[in-house]
Order: sequence, then structure tokens, then C-alpha cells
Amino acid sequence: DAGVIQSPRHEVTEMGQEVTLRCKPISGHNSLFWYRQTMMRGLELLIYFNNNVPIDDSGMPEDRFSAKMPNASFSTLKIQPSEPRDSAVYFCASSLDPLAGGLNEQFFGPGTRLTVL
Amino acid sequence: ELKVEQNPLFLSMQEGKNYTIYCNYSTTSDRLYWYRQDPGKSLESLFVLLSNGAVKQEGRLMASLDTKARLSTLHITAAVHDLSATYFCAVDGIDHQGAQKLVFGQGTRLTINP
Repeated sequence: DAGVIQSPRHEVTEMGQEVTLRCKPISGHNSLFWYRQTMMRGLELLIYFNNNVPIDDSGMPEDRFSAKMPNASFSTLKIQPSEPRDSAVYFCASSLDPLAGGLNEQFFGPGTRLTVL
Repeated sequence: ELKVEQNPLFLSMQEGKNYTIYCNYSTTSDRLYWYRQDPGKSLESLFVLLSNGAVKQEGRLMASLDTKARLSTLHITAAVHDLSATYFCAVDGIDHQGAQKLVFGQGTRLTINP
């Protein structure tokens, strides 16, 4: 299995631009998570989906952030407009939940390093 | 609300020594996970502990879970330099909004000096 795939791996953009991060979860996993990691705030859960449905988006910082999961094999995290304080590493993770016979063990993608100038 | 606390947050040790990282959590849970993160890299799953008394070992790392004490430990035996990394524990539980999710500790940055 290729593991969780994220693109792009690095993104440099200017303040005010729209940024779209992409994630392909591990095939067969039914939960998908978006995290943000910074030195100051550590690892933060932004949103997670179960069976393509958003379950908890309480970690999304503000209306500039939105996430979608149109099907079981693809999710996007969009920031519009982007600001310098959004600079961070964004991780996508996927898991198979216990109701589906999994251990809820999350597998992380390589991350997208976002720099907003 | 489930809270997960690790200690120490920073640990610098000599090669060949033994040490333990502690992970305490605030509410009942039977599932705990340990992850490793190298600088500039992603999180890698190390151990899944599923029941009270569970013990898992991989090389020089051993993890255990005591659900009654709400405590997990990650023990490092005869440390070597390539174990330098940040180690996270995560607990499967219910957050303040009633949603089930993994709650991560702050991470322990381990540096092993030759």
C-alpha cells in the first residue's frame, strides 16, 4: 500500500491567495483527519470525516478554512484567503474505525509544508 | 474532557542509558497509541496498546498500559543515537463535545548524545 498521499509537499504563496491541500487516504480506511503542526501550538486536529461525512470541525480556525471529502479516496483542505499565521505543516491521516473492524490507529501522510509570505 | 499529558517534554540522555517517558490521561480509555516523529518528517505509528496490562516491544523500545492508573510508559533500553526523535502518545476517547477522537500529548523531544 502506498500509504496516505498528500500534495503538494511544499507550498509557498502570498498573503491573500487561495491554497488547496490534497489528500488520498489509505484504501479501505473510513476515517480521515486533517491536522496542523506548528512549533508554538503543537499538533492540532482541524477536522475529521467518517465515511466521507464531516464529524467534528471544531478545530477549524475560522471561516477562511474549509474541507471537503467528495468520495472515499480524496479530500481537500482549502484556505481562502491565506494569511502568514497559517504557515505550518498540514498533515492528513486516515484510519479504520473499530465499528468497521479497525483499531482506530491513524496513519499519517508526509505532510504539506505551507509558507504564506 | 479527555486530556493527555506527557513528561518529560524534553529529555537529553547519553547513549547506553535507560529512561522512561510517561503518558497520563484524564478519563477512561482502553486504547492508547505511541508515535515517533523525526525532525521534518511525519508521525510514524510505533505501538497500539488495547487493554490493561498490554505490553509491546520493538527493539530498544517497550510500551505498557495501565488503564486503572490511566498511565502508559515508553521505556528506552540502552539508548542509541538513532532513537533521537519526538515521541507522542495519543489516547482514544471522548472530547468535551462528545465526539470520539484521538487526543495527542504534547510530545517528548528525546535527544541521545554519543
